[in-house]
Amino acid sequence: NAGVTQTPKFRVLKTGQSMTLLCAQDMNHEYMYWYRQDPGMGLRLIHYSVGEGTTAKGEVPDGYNVSRLKKQNFLLGLESAAPSQTSVYFCASSYMWSTDTQYFGPGTRLTVL
Amino acid sequence: AQTVTQSQPEMSVQEAETVTLSCTYDTSENNYYLFWYKQPPSRQMILVIRQEAYKQQNATENRFSVNFQKAAKSFSLKISDSQLGDTAMYFCALGAGANNLFFGTGTRLTVIP
Repeated sequence: NAGVTQTPKFRVLKTGQSMTLLCAQDMNHEYMYWYRQDPGMGLRLIHYSVGEGTTAKGEVPDGYNVSRLKKQNFLLGLESAAPSQTSVYFCASSYMWSTDTQYFGPGTRLTVL
Repeated sequence: AQTVTQSQPEMSVQEAETVTLSCTYDTSENNYYLFWYKQPPSRQMILVIRQEAYKQQNATENRFSVNFQKAAKSFSLKISDSQLGDTAMYFCALGAGANNLFFGTGTRLTVIP
């Protein structure tokens, strides 16, 4: 039981490049989330999904897109990376609502030059 | 709107001593949950303790306990018999209403040998 895994762990992009972050969970959770963590700001929700085939915007969705084609996977895409997207990205999942415990992946450190 | 405030950016404690981390929150929801997450240098977010707002009894998990004051909207974390492995960032989080966890800005705790 791996829990929540994220690929890759580190990435460096140039401004304007695109990339996709992959999150996978093996706990059969319905809900999945993408957060970003910036110094002194805690975690902020980018997008989330309440089930396979669904996505919704969180607090800071601009510049990101997501897809949930399979229940166990949640992808975060950056179409045209900007330096302001330099951050640590966390994926999380939970069985039900946000009032349920969320389980986090190990994070991806992304640097945009 | 939901907000979470952690007013102590940094704290330190001697090994084997007790320390209390503060958190205040605001929400208009009646049904909500409160969490403390730990983020060690490895970056992995780990759930420490969880409290349901409808329960008056304070949650405890081994050396970790909370002081939940619902009327004051306060949710502090007490760590007893502090250990070197407790050195980490600690985040208070509120789960209420929408599909989101609202995080505080964190408290960096250092356990001194």
